[in-house]
Amino acid sequence: EAGVAQSPRYKIIEKRQSVAFWCNPISGHATLYWYQQILGQGPKLLIQFQNNGVVDDSQLPKDRFSAERLKGVDSTLKIQPAKLEDSAVYLCASSTDRGSEQYFGPGTRLTVT
Amino acid sequence: GQNIDQPTEMTATEGAIVQINCTYQTSGFNGLFWYQQHAGEAPTFLSYNVLDGLEEKGRFSSFLSRSKGYSYLLLKELQMKDSASYLCAVREIGTTDSWGKLQFGAGTQVVVTP
Repeated sequence: EAGVAQSPRYKIIEKRQSVAFWCNPISGHATLYWYQQILGQGPKLLIQFQNNGVVDDSQLPKDRFSAERLKGVDSTLKIQPAKLEDSAVYLCASSTDRGSEQYFGPGTRLTVT
Repeated sequence: GQNIDQPTEMTATEGAIVQINCTYQTSGFNGLFWYQQHAGEAPTFLSYNVLDGLEEKGRFSSFLSRSKGYSYLLLKELQMKDSASYLCAVREIGTTDSWGKLQFGAGTQVVVTP
């Protein structure tokens, strides 16, 4: 079974630029999560989708971050414009309707200079 | 909201046992998870507790006391490959249609020495 796929793996941008990350969850997983993990901290949930609907985006900085999962499968997370404090690893995870375990992708390491 | 506390770092010798404690405060508890994260890699699932007691899985065991807001992860017969960060995560009560949010602690860096 293929795992959660993410791209790109690394990205370096200047502040005020925009960036987009892509995630393809495990086939059949209805729930998709985007996390931000700053160095030395645990992952922080940004947004949770159930199929193509948003379940929780309470910690998403909506003035600059957006995410979509139009067909209920893959998803994109965008930052526009980026700030220095957005430097982090962005992790995507997925789980089944009934599964309690979240499976994580390899992450995208973003550096904002 | 939730507060999750775990030690920053622990060091132990190969072959020994290490216990990583996690305390939490939550307004609605719906399960506690332990994840392992090697440097530069994604977290991988280790264990899940929703009822009080001990769950054993090979060299790893996890314990939960809901009344005390306390869990621990026990790593036995430590191996060098166990050097990693161990993340405690608490899940909130969700809705009838979806799981609640996972709140992660900052992680405990375990260093295994020869």
